[in-house]
Amino acid sequence: KNQVEQSPQSLIILEGKNCTLQCNYTVSPFSNLRWYKQDTGRGPVSLTIMTFSENTKSNGRYTATLDADTKQSSLHITASQLSDSASYICVVIPYNQGGKLIFGQGTELSVKP
Amino acid sequence: DSGVTQTPKHLITATGQRVTLRCSPRSGDLSVYWYQQSLDQGLQFLIQYYNGEERAKGNILERFSAQQFPDLHSELNLSSLELGDSALYFCASSDLKRGGMDTQYFGPGTRLTVL
Repeated sequence: KNQVEQSPQSLIILEGKNCTLQCNYTVSPFSNLRWYKQDTGRGPVSLTIMTFSENTKSNGRYTATLDADTKQSSLHITASQLSDSASYICVVIPYNQGGKLIFGQGTELSVKP
Repeated sequence: DSGVTQTPKHLITATGQRVTLRCSPRSGDLSVYWYQQSLDQGLQFLIQYYNGEERAKGNILERFSAQQFPDLHSELNLSSLELGDSALYFCASSDLKRGGMDTQYFGPGTRLTVL
């Protein structure tokens, strides 16, 4: 079983709509949790970074939430744009293991006009 | 543009061969990370170097090795290549000044195809 699991695997929404992506993790203890956006064939780009004590972090139209008790995080995208079409990856950094990162498999988001 | 450069962009080689992938971090970043992304495995952390020294190790095969040079550029060496090594290899860099809360900046990747 993966230590970081994301759902749904893929999602299609219409431009202008909101959506929420889920991330469940078992990594414990952890230092911080991150969300990345990856366009096809390109390197991931960091969207948000949250420590275990933070509940929410925003970056423009992207808002990440974290519930350390239930070990769940979500990424909410508001007023989606065509350029939001990408893979969104949840990453958990274990505590005290150097720079090791544990990646989820990603959610493939497609925004249609 | 993240400021991280990787060469070559594409690499096609045969099984059993050895290749070297190169990464130049952003100016001022002391930490370099290597990742492998294949279709069936997603992104996998391979190894991290900080100021020339290995800092963390992930799912890196014994056939793979890496190093970071005094000028902070890094190389990932892949030997005895197998078909399953075909993947995108990303390098990322960070300044690690925020002790674990550093933002990693990813390069454009090297696409390796093993035939």
